[in-house]
Amino acid sequence: QSVLTQPPSASGTPGQRVTISCSGSSSNIGGNTVNWYQQLPGTAPKLLIYSNNQRPSGVPDRLSGSKSGTSGSLAISGLQSEDEADYYCAAWDDSLNGYVFGTGTKVTV
Amino acid sequence: EVQLVQSRAEIKKPGESLKISCKTSGFTFITYWIAWVRQMPGKGLEWMGIIYPGDSDTRYSPSFQGQVTISADKSIDTAYLQWSSLKASDTAMYYCVRLQQLVSDVTSYFFDYWGQGTLVTVSS
Repeated sequence: QSVLTQPPSASGTPGQRVTISCSGSSSNIGGNTVNWYQQLPGTAPKLLIYSNNQRPSGVPDRLSGSKSGTSGSLAISGLQSEDEADYYCAAWDDSLNGYVFGTGTKVTV
Repeated sequence: EVQLVQSRAEIKKPGESLKISCKTSGFTFITYWIAWVRQMPGKGLEWMGIIYPGDSDTRYSPSFQGQVTISADKSIDTAYLQWSSLKASDTAMYYCVRLQQLVSDVTSYFFDYWGQGTLVTVSS
């Protein structure tokens, strides 16, 4: 059962900016960093953002992450058709002593 | 190049046992935590548990404690996920993932490499 809450869907037209929120608690996002994963249809998830706002090599800078208190957010600027995917936030949870994922957001372009 | 290569898809009957594998390469296996993540059909990602192959320290999500067993063989850099008695509700895609830890003012934990997934179908 997910302990991080995301909107089920988000959409935009090509070139627009879309933002996805991720709400947690003091035991996860509040005390640890937020990460984001992208899952394209029929493929394994891929790391998109780590440590709140860091991009792995190869991830374009039109994707950005941030964190404030017990919430995180992912912004996609200059939306492209290739951004159609499911997006999951995640964080370590100190109460669970394990990793928790968000409920997932489906982005439609 | 870091790689996590999982075993092939499986079709099983309820009550049967199963062990799926995750063969790793390109990094020092015994120095990273390896986790398993479940994704049921059309659903989100769930963390199942994690193992440190260096000393076999293993932790489970409460949702999966007692339902599965996670193990590792450090002689062949391979992690495993096994069931002793499968149920139809175990039908899902299972991913093995490598946990990365970055230590600064706050320690960051994230899954930086994913296996391709093993689809397990349990049906009579």
